[in-house]
Amino acid sequence: SSELTQDPAVSVALGQTVRITCQGDSLRSYYASWYQQKPGQAPVLVIYGKNSRPSGIPDRFSGSSSGSTASLTITGAQAEDEADYYCNSRDSSGNHVVFGGGTKLTVL
Amino acid sequence: QVQLVQSGSELKKPGASVKVSCKASGYTFSTYAMNWVRQAPGQGLEWMGWINTNTGNPTYAQGFTGRFVFSLDTSVSTAYLQISSLKAEDTAVYYCARGILLDPTVTTDYWGQGTLVTVSS
Repeated sequence: SSELTQDPAVSVALGQTVRITCQGDSLRSYYASWYQQKPGQAPVLVIYGKNSRPSGIPDRFSGSSSGSTASLTITGAQAEDEADYYCNSRDSSGNHVVFGGGTKLTVL
Repeated sequence: QVQLVQSGSELKKPGASVKVSCKASGYTFSTYAMNWVRQAPGQGLEWMGWINTNTGNPTYAQGFTGRFVFSLDTSVSTAYLQISSLKAEDTAVYYCARGILLDPTVTTDYWGQGTLVTVSS
């Protein structure tokens, strides 16, 4: 079982805002990174650190953290945002990395 | 531009070995860590570990010790994942992923296209 917990599925209406969460004790000490994965494709980094976006990632993607929960927010979700989203961070030992189980985002 | 190009799909019998390659281009290979991530069919991402491309020192996640070996050939900017004594449960897509300088294991900014390894008799 993963040390990071994500909701298996979330849906959002086109153009609305959605928050995808990632819970784990290690998040009290370490930032999470977030990855988007579309079917048949490799994951793409969308958010890392406190709230940094790699070049090319739209600014509708943002990240935040509070206590043991990290969040990825998509403000004004687009059809192309429909994908699986994974968080990762360090495990409780701090020495290794763990991924959350992933959240399937459906844009209605 | 940064690219990680992995070797093609493999079909192996149980007990065999496989070596997956990940050729990097567009940056100085020894500056950035290389991570390996597994994704079983229909499942999530699983961090396997990483290799320091400057020293060659590998670190393996729990569950990936013994049969899994990370290696490098810096002369051709290539990282390798070798899996021995293959089992059916090793069937998965294996990704290499470059770690960023600030946090080389958690945050990976470029990924290979993935290599499907199928283990079947």
